[in-house]
Amino acid sequence: KAGVTQTPRYLIKTRGQQVTLSCSPISGHRSVSWYQQTPGQGLQFLFEYFSETQRNKGNFPGRFSGRQFSNSRSEMNVSTLELGDSALYLCASSLVGGIGNTEAFFGQGTRLTVV
Amino acid sequence: TQLLEQSPQFLSIQEGENLTVYCNSSSVFSSLQWYRQEPGEGPVLLVTVVTGGEVKKLKRLTFQFGDARKDSSLHITAAQPGDTGLYLCAGGYNNNDMRFGAGTRLTVKP
Repeated sequence: KAGVTQTPRYLIKTRGQQVTLSCSPISGHRSVSWYQQTPGQGLQFLFEYFSETQRNKGNFPGRFSGRQFSNSRSEMNVSTLELGDSALYLCASSLVGGIGNTEAFFGQGTRLTVV
Repeated sequence: TQLLEQSPQFLSIQEGENLTVYCNSSSVFSSLQWYRQEPGEGPVLLVTVVTGGEVKKLKRLTFQFGDARKDSSLHITAAQPGDTGLYLCAGGYNNNDMRFGAGTRLTVKP
């Protein structure tokens, strides 16, 4: 079956702009989680969506937002981009979410560079 | 602040050597997962451990969950260049999301 698809793979934006990233989970998976990965901080949890509802949120400012559609596809949006937002953004899909419940499958990520 | 501390951050060894990497936390986790991430790819799940003291083996990889469910270790026997990658541990937190350590970057030289 098809894996998790993230688009675009690479993105360059200017400070102050906004960006929208997309994640298509594995068919049948209802949970989508988003992570920011940087060399210094590792993988930081952004938020998790399940059945179109945000179920959990990490410690990121309100500039970071997301949503999930009825087909489980998810988008995350970052407004007023800052240089420090440059990172690899990963999404993970799973059947029901929650570690230990089921395996999470990651996409290849979107590498965002803010200049 | 990382909920999960991984050590060492970097490890470079020769093919055939053994190694152990660690994942420690002050929190108790319901379960813990280990992932490996290769450049340009997302993390791939290696194992999930759920019971304190549990040991799981996956070919040359041995995973252990601490008795108190606050720490875990990954031991690789006779490392190969194909084992090169970033090893991440992730703990179940509030049972609805995963929190990751910063990872151990392993390089195995032929």
